[in-house]
Amino acid sequence: DAKTTQPPSMDCAEGRAANLPCNHSTISGNEYVYWYRQIHSQGPQYIIHGLKNNETNEMASLIITEDRKSSTLILPHATLRDTAVYYCIVRVEWSGNTGKLIFGQGTTLQVKP
Amino acid sequence: DSGVTQTPKHLITATGQRVTLRCSPRSGDLSVYWYQQSLDQGLQFLIQYYNGEERAKGNILERFSAQQFPDLHSELNLSSLELGDSALYFCASSFTGESPLHFGNGTRLTVT
Repeated sequence: DAKTTQPPSMDCAEGRAANLPCNHSTISGNEYVYWYRQIHSQGPQYIIHGLKNNETNEMASLIITEDRKSSTLILPHATLRDTAVYYCIVRVEWSGNTGKLIFGQGTTLQVKP
Repeated sequence: DSGVTQTPKHLITATGQRVTLRCSPRSGDLSVYWYQQSLDQGLQFLIQYYNGEERAKGNILERFSAQQFPDLHSELNLSSLELGDSALYFCASSFTGESPLHFGNGTRLTVT
Protein backbone atom coordinates (compact mmCIF):
# COMPACT_ATOMS: atom_id res chain seq x y z
CA ASP A 1 0.00 0.00 0.00
CA ALA A 2 1.27 3.44 -0.86
CA LYS A 3 2.03 5.40 2.29
CA THR A 4 1.57 9.10 2.93
CA THR A 5 3.55 11.47 5.12
CA GLN A 6 1.98 14.59 6.58
CA PRO A 7 3.20 17.10 9.17
CA PRO A 8 1.52 16.36 12.50
CA SER A 9 0.28 19.91 13.01
CA MET A 10 -0.03 23.31 11.35
CA ASP A 11 -1.41 26.71 12.24
CA CYS A 12 -3.16 29.15 9.94
CA ALA A 13 -4.54 32.65 10.47
CA GLU A 14 -8.24 33.08 9.88
CA GLY A 15 -8.96 34.44 6.40
CA ARG A 16 -5.62 33.30 5.00
CA ALA A 17 -5.01 30.33 2.74
CA ALA A 18 -4.16 27.06 4.44
CA ASN A 19 -1.72 24.90 2.47
CA LEU A 20 -1.48 21.34 3.72
CA PRO A 21 1.32 19.23 2.23
CA CYS A 22 1.40 15.48 1.71
CA ASN A 23 4.16 13.20 0.45
CA HIS A 24 3.28 9.95 -1.32
CA SER A 25 6.48 8.98 -3.08
CA THR A 26 5.49 5.31 -3.63
CA ILE A 27 2.15 6.07 -5.31
CA SER A 28 1.27 3.87 -8.26
CA GLY A 29 0.06 5.15 -11.59
CA ASN A 30 -3.56 4.20 -11.04
CA GLU A 31 -3.86 5.33 -7.43
CA TYR A 32 -5.80 8.45 -6.54
CA VAL A 33 -5.01 10.96 -3.81
CA TYR A 34 -7.94 11.61 -1.47
CA TRP A 35 -8.34 14.24 1.22
CA TYR A 36 -10.69 13.95 4.16
CA ARG A 37 -11.05 15.92 7.35
CA GLN A 38 -12.42 15.09 10.76
CA ILE A 39 -13.80 17.73 13.06
CA HIS A 40 -13.72 16.78 16.74
CA SER A 41 -14.81 13.10 16.65
CA GLN A 42 -17.43 13.64 13.96
CA GLY A 43 -17.36 11.31 10.98
CA PRO A 44 -14.61 12.03 8.44
CA GLN A 45 -15.76 14.41 5.72
CA TYR A 46 -14.79 13.99 2.08
CA ILE A 47 -13.04 17.05 0.66
CA ILE A 48 -11.56 16.31 -2.75
CA HIS A 49 -9.63 13.74 -4.76
CA GLY A 50 -7.47 13.62 -7.88
CA LEU A 51 -5.28 11.46 -10.06
CA LYS A 52 -2.75 13.74 -11.74
CA ASN A 53 -4.47 16.96 -12.72
CA ASN A 54 -5.17 19.74 -10.29
CA GLU A 55 -8.70 19.73 -8.96
CA THR A 56 -10.94 22.38 -7.43
CA ASN A 57 -14.34 22.23 -5.82
CA GLU A 58 -16.38 24.43 -3.52
CA MET A 59 -14.35 23.37 -0.50
CA ALA A 60 -10.75 23.29 -1.63
CA SER A 61 -8.13 22.92 -4.36
CA LEU A 62 -5.80 19.98 -4.80
CA ILE A 63 -2.42 20.49 -6.43
CA ILE A 64 -0.55 17.32 -7.44
CA THR A 65 3.06 17.54 -8.58
CA GLU A 66 3.93 16.34 -12.05
CA ASP A 67 5.77 13.30 -10.72
CA ARG A 68 2.79 12.61 -8.41
CA LYS A 69 5.05 12.10 -5.44
CA SER A 70 3.46 14.87 -3.43
CA SER A 71 0.36 17.02 -3.26
CA THR A 72 -1.00 20.09 -1.48
CA LEU A 73 -4.51 20.73 -0.26
CA ILE A 74 -5.41 24.40 -0.32
CA LEU A 75 -8.22 25.93 1.71
CA PRO A 76 -8.37 29.38 0.12
CA HIS A 77 -9.84 31.37 2.99
CA ALA A 78 -9.59 29.41 6.22
CA THR A 79 -12.22 29.95 8.91
CA LEU A 80 -12.34 28.81 12.52
CA ARG A 81 -14.69 26.03 11.41
CA ASP A 82 -11.88 24.58 9.30
CA THR A 83 -9.99 23.58 12.45
CA ALA A 84 -9.79 19.79 12.10
CA VAL A 85 -7.55 16.81 11.42
CA TYR A 86 -6.85 16.55 7.70
CA TYR A 87 -6.05 13.17 6.19
CA CYS A 88 -4.23 12.60 2.92
CA ILE A 89 -4.92 9.08 1.64
CA VAL A 90 -3.78 7.11 -1.36
CA ARG A 91 -6.64 4.87 -2.32
CA VAL A 92 -5.85 1.23 -2.90
CA GLU A 93 -7.53 -1.79 -4.42
CA TRP A 94 -9.93 -0.42 -6.98
CA SER A 95 -10.70 -3.73 -8.58
CA GLY A 96 -13.72 -5.84 -7.69
CA ASN A 97 -15.55 -2.93 -6.09
CA THR A 98 -13.22 -2.79 -3.17
CA GLY A 99 -11.93 0.66 -2.37
CA LYS A 100 -11.14 0.90 1.31
CA LEU A 101 -9.39 4.00 2.62
CA ILE A 102 -6.42 3.54 4.90
CA PHE A 103 -6.08 6.50 7.25
CA GLY A 104 -2.78 7.69 8.67
CA GLN A 105 -2.31 10.13 11.52
CA GLY A 106 -3.16 13.23 9.50
CA THR A 107 -2.36 16.90 10.08
CA THR A 108 -4.08 18.80 12.84
CA LEU A 109 -4.86 22.23 11.41
CA GLN A 110 -5.52 24.94 13.94
CA VAL A 111 -7.08 28.09 12.47
CA LYS A 112 -6.45 31.05 14.75
CA PRO A 113 -8.33 34.36 14.94
CA ASP B 1 -25.38 15.79 6.61
CA SER B 2 -23.66 12.91 4.79
CA GLY B 3 -26.85 10.89 4.41
CA VAL B 4 -25.36 7.92 6.28
CA THR B 5 -27.30 7.08 9.44
CA GLN B 6 -25.84 5.20 12.36
CA THR B 7 -27.69 4.00 15.43
CA PRO B 8 -27.42 4.17 18.32
CA LYS B 9 -25.31 7.29 18.86
CA HIS B 10 -24.09 6.11 22.24
CA LEU B 11 -23.92 2.67 23.79
CA ILE B 12 -22.72 1.73 27.26
CA THR B 13 -22.38 -1.92 28.14
CA ALA B 14 -20.41 -4.28 30.34
CA THR B 15 -17.51 -6.57 29.57
CA GLY B 16 -18.54 -9.90 28.12
CA GLN B 17 -21.69 -8.55 26.54
CA ARG B 18 -22.73 -8.44 22.89
CA VAL B 19 -23.96 -5.40 20.97
CA THR B 20 -25.19 -4.64 17.47
CA LEU B 21 -24.45 -1.40 15.66
CA ARG B 22 -26.60 -0.42 12.72
CA CYS B 23 -25.84 1.57 9.59
CA SER B 24 -28.12 2.84 6.84
CA PRO B 25 -26.13 3.92 3.79
CA ARG B 26 -26.88 6.89 1.58
CA SER B 27 -29.70 6.27 -0.85
CA GLY B 28 -28.34 4.42 -3.88
CA ASP B 29 -25.00 3.49 -2.33
CA LEU B 30 -24.11 -0.18 -2.67
CA SER B 31 -20.94 -0.37 -0.56
CA VAL B 32 -20.75 -0.17 3.20
CA TYR B 33 -17.52 0.14 5.19
CA TRP B 34 -16.94 -0.14 8.93
CA TYR B 35 -14.15 1.64 10.79
CA GLN B 36 -13.05 1.71 14.41
CA GLN B 37 -11.45 4.76 16.00
CA SER B 38 -9.88 4.49 19.41
CA LEU B 39 -7.66 7.07 21.06
CA ASP B 40 -4.43 5.16 20.56
CA GLN B 41 -5.08 3.57 17.17
CA GLY B 42 -6.60 6.20 14.93
CA LEU B 43 -9.10 5.20 12.24
CA GLN B 44 -8.83 1.48 11.52
CA PHE B 45 -10.58 -0.19 8.59
CA LEU B 46 -12.58 -3.23 9.69
CA ILE B 47 -14.60 -4.60 6.79
CA GLN B 48 -16.39 -3.70 3.55
CA TYR B 49 -19.51 -5.07 1.90
CA TYR B 50 -20.70 -4.47 -1.63
CA ASN B 51 -24.29 -5.31 -2.51
CA GLY B 52 -24.52 -7.90 0.25
CA GLU B 53 -21.15 -9.55 -0.30
CA GLU B 54 -17.99 -9.14 1.74
CA ARG B 55 -15.34 -7.43 -0.41
CA ALA B 56 -12.47 -6.49 1.86
CA LYS B 57 -11.37 -7.27 5.36
CA GLY B 58 -9.07 -5.29 7.59
CA ASN B 59 -8.06 -5.68 11.21
CA ILE B 60 -11.37 -7.10 12.34
CA LEU B 61 -11.28 -9.33 15.40
CA GLU B 62 -12.85 -12.78 15.30
CA ARG B 63 -15.25 -11.58 18.03
CA PHE B 64 -16.63 -9.05 15.57
CA SER B 65 -18.81 -9.84 12.59
CA ALA B 66 -20.83 -7.86 10.10
CA GLN B 67 -23.36 -8.34 7.38
CA GLN B 68 -25.17 -6.32 4.74
CA PHE B 69 -28.83 -7.05 4.20
CA PRO B 70 -30.85 -7.06 0.95
CA ASP B 71 -32.10 -3.53 1.68
CA LEU B 72 -28.37 -2.58 1.90
CA HIS B 73 -28.33 -1.60 5.54
CA SER B 74 -25.52 -3.15 7.54
CA GLU B 75 -24.97 -4.34 11.07
CA LEU B 76 -21.75 -4.75 13.00
CA ASN B 77 -21.93 -7.30 15.80
CA LEU B 78 -19.42 -7.11 18.63
CA SER B 79 -19.35 -9.96 21.13
CA SER B 80 -17.45 -10.92 24.29
CA LEU B 81 -16.73 -7.26 24.72
CA GLU B 82 -13.54 -6.10 26.39
CA LEU B 83 -12.58 -2.75 27.84
CA GLY B 84 -10.31 -2.18 24.85
CA ASP B 85 -13.25 -2.32 22.48
CA SER B 86 -14.38 1.06 23.74
CA ALA B 87 -14.15 3.30 20.69
CA LEU B 88 -16.02 5.24 18.05
CA TYR B 89 -17.35 3.00 15.30
CA PHE B 90 -17.97 4.65 11.96
CA CYS B 91 -19.88 3.42 8.99
CA ALA B 92 -19.30 4.81 5.52
CA SER B 93 -20.97 4.17 2.20
CA SER B 94 -20.17 4.67 -1.46
CA PHE B 95 -21.91 3.95 -4.74
CA THR B 96 -19.08 1.78 -6.02
CA GLY B 97 -15.56 0.95 -4.94
CA GLU B 98 -14.38 3.91 -6.99
CA SER B 99 -16.70 6.55 -5.50
CA PRO B 100 -15.77 8.71 -2.51
CA LEU B 101 -16.76 7.31 0.87
CA HIS B 102 -19.25 9.26 2.92
CA PHE B 103 -19.18 8.70 6.67
CA GLY B 104 -21.85 8.69 9.32
CA ASN B 105 -21.34 10.37 12.67
CA GLY B 106 -20.53 7.17 14.44
CA THR B 107 -21.58 5.12 17.43
CA ARG B 108 -19.63 5.76 20.61
CA LEU B 109 -19.25 2.44 22.46
CA THR B 110 -18.20 2.42 26.08
CA VAL B 111 -17.43 -0.92 27.71
CA THR B 112 -17.30 -0.81 31.50
